Amino acid sequence: DAGVIQSPRHEVTEMGQEVTLRCKPISGHNSLFWYRQTMMRGLELLIYFNNNVPIDDSGMPEDRFSAKMPNASFSTLKIQPSEPRDSAVYFCASSLVERDSDTQYFGPGTRLTVL
Amino acid sequence: QKEVEQDPGPLSVPEGAIVSLNCTYSNSAFQYFMWYRQYSRKGPELLMYTYSSGNKEDGRFTAQVDKSSKYISLFIRDSQPSDSATYLCAMSESNFGNEKLTFGTGTRLTIIP
Repeated sequence: DAGVIQSPRHEVTEMGQEVTLRCKPISGHNSLFWYRQTMMRGLELLIYFNNNVPIDDSGMPEDRFSAKMPNASFSTLKIQPSEPRDSAVYFCASSLVERDSDTQYFGPGTRLTVL
Repeated sequence: QKEVEQDPGPLSVPEGAIVSLNCTYSNSAFQYFMWYRQYSRKGPELLMYTYSSGNKEDGRFTAQVDKSSKYISLFIRDSQPSDSATYLCAMSESNFGNEKLTFGTGTRLTIIP
């Protein structure tokens, strides 16, 4: 299995630009999670989906952030407009919800730098 | 105050030493307690998990949970250079595959050959 795939791996953009991060979960998994990792705040959950439906978006920092999951094999996290404080590593993770105590499998992350 | 507190380190120990990593938490509803290992420039991967209080051993790794003190620990015996990574504790109230995880900030560990 290829694991969780994220693209791009690195993104450098200027303040005010739109940024779109992409995630392909592990085939057959039905839960998908977006996390953000910074030195100061650690790893924080932004939003998660079950069967393509957003379940909890309470971690989304503000209206500039939006996430979609149009089908079981693809999700996007969009930031518009981007700001320097959005600079972080963004991780996508997926899991199979029917299995109790199954783990969340993380992708390699997208390192975002907003200048 | 954060729900989960973890000493960020960094922690450096010689090869073969016993390593102790710890987290404290404030939410008494947490039932699942996990340790993730994250190598540089990689995503976290689950190392081991414990349900409720008690100990769990897996090879050189032992996880302990003391719910009465809201304190969890990870012990690494006979530490190896390959154990050098950032270790993140995480917790959830229920089935953690399908549940919000609350992470500590991570402890960066270096094993010196």
